[in-house]
Amino acid sequence: GAGVSQSPSNKVTEKGKDVELRCDPISGHTALYWYRQSLGQGLEFLIYFQGNSAPDKSGLPSDRFSAERTGGSVSTLTIQRTQQEDSAVYLCASSPDRRGNEQFFGPGTRLTVL
Amino acid sequence: DQQVKQNSPSLSVQEGRISILNCDYTNSMFDYFLWYKKYPAEGPTFLISISSIKDKNEDGRFTVFLNKSAKHLSLHIVPSQPGDSAVYFCAASAGVRSNTGKLIFGQGTTLQVKP
Repeated sequence: GAGVSQSPSNKVTEKGKDVELRCDPISGHTALYWYRQSLGQGLEFLIYFQGNSAPDKSGLPSDRFSAERTGGSVSTLTIQRTQQEDSAVYLCASSPDRRGNEQFFGPGTRLTVL
Repeated sequence: DQQVKQNSPSLSVQEGRISILNCDYTNSMFDYFLWYKKYPAEGPTFLISISSIKDKNEDGRFTVFLNKSAKHLSLHIVPSQPGDSAVYFCAASAGVRSNTGKLIFGQGTTLQVKP
C-alpha cells in the first residue's frame, strides 16, 4: 500500500500487561514519529526517529514506554505494565525529510487498558 | 503548558457559508504552521500549511492566515460543504530551527457543515 499502516487497529488489554504496537511507514521516508491522542485531547508527541536512531524521545511519558525502528522502516512502540491512563489512540506518522513538516499519518491503534 | 490552543471545541455552519477556525500559539520559536483534518477512525490528513515568512496561503477553498504579532492563525473554508465536516487540528513546528520536525498540536475543533 502507499500509505502508513499500523497494527493492530484495536487492542484491549488488562492492566499490568505489556503491549506492542507496530507501524509501517511509507517506503523511503526517513523520518518516523509516534504521537498519541487521549480522549478529547490533541495529538501529543512521543518520539522521533531519523533512520534507526531516536534523537528525540522527549515525549515518552515514562520508562514503561520504549520504541525501536529497524532497517530504517518498521517501528514498534512497546508499553510495559500498562496502566489505565495509557488508554488512547496511538498514531504513527512518516515524512520524507528530517524537518518533518509534511507528515503522513497512519489510521492509529486504539489501545484500551481495562 | 498548552503551546498551541484551539479555544473553540466545535463550530456549526450552513452549507455554502464560510467556516473560520482559529488557533493561537505561545512559542515564538514556531515558524511553520499546518492544518490537519481528521475523520473518525482515520489518521489526520494534511490540509494546508504556512511558513512564518508569509501571512496568507491559499489552496482552492482553503486559506490560512497568519498574524505573527498576535501569535494567531486561522483557517477559512469557502464555501463550506457537508463533506468538510470533521475535526480540524492546528499544528506548529520550529521548522528550520528544529532538528526533529516534531509537531505540536492543538486540541482540535469539530466542524459540522449542515446541508
